[in-house]
Amino acid sequence: QKEVEQDPGPLSVPEGAIVSLNCTYSNSAFQYFMWYRQYSRKGPELLMYTYSSGNKEDGRFTAQVDKSSKYISLFIRDSQPSDSATYLCAAHSGNTPLVFGKGTRLSVIA
Amino acid sequence: DSGVTQTPKHLITATGQRVTLRCSPRSGDLSVYWYQQSLDQGLQFLIQYYNGEERAKGNILERFSAQQFPDLHSELNLSSLELGDSALYFCASSGGGSDTQYFGPGTRLTVL
Repeated sequence: QKEVEQDPGPLSVPEGAIVSLNCTYSNSAFQYFMWYRQYSRKGPELLMYTYSSGNKEDGRFTAQVDKSSKYISLFIRDSQPSDSATYLCAAHSGNTPLVFGKGTRLSVIA
Repeated sequence: DSGVTQTPKHLITATGQRVTLRCSPRSGDLSVYWYQQSLDQGLQFLIQYYNGEERAKGNILERFSAQQFPDLHSELNLSSLELGDSALYFCASSGGGSDTQYFGPGTRLTVL
């Protein structure tokens, strides 16, 4: 079992939709959780960074972590065609390398 | 722009050859991480350096090695290249009291 599991999609939604992206993880030691956005063949770009459980909001993006169920979510409101990319969840336990999910490819159709 | 730079952007070489990839971290960051991204494996951690010392090792092949220099830039050396080594290679850096990793634009390696 991989430490971080993520449905690869692809996921296709109409412009303006609410997008929900999810990951599960198995390592109870994980304390730090990230979401990265990666456009085709570009470097991953950090979107959200969360410590432990809870919610974090930044503009149209909301990250949620539920440590009791080992579940990580990213919500995108009012999705735009420019949000079309691969979204990678990642986790680590502090001063350790990131463990990534395989990424979910999202397409937002105008 | 993350502030992390990588050269070259693209590299095309033949099997059996050796190449060197270079990474300059963000100003002030002491940690450098190397990752390999292939289509079927996703982002795989290779190795981490912190202020010149190896800190952690992941799925790095024995044919691969890395180092971090006193000016904190890092190089990843790939030798006896095989077709399966074709991938995107990213470096990331962190530091300044934060574990947040910022990625460079990557080097696309093609082994023919």
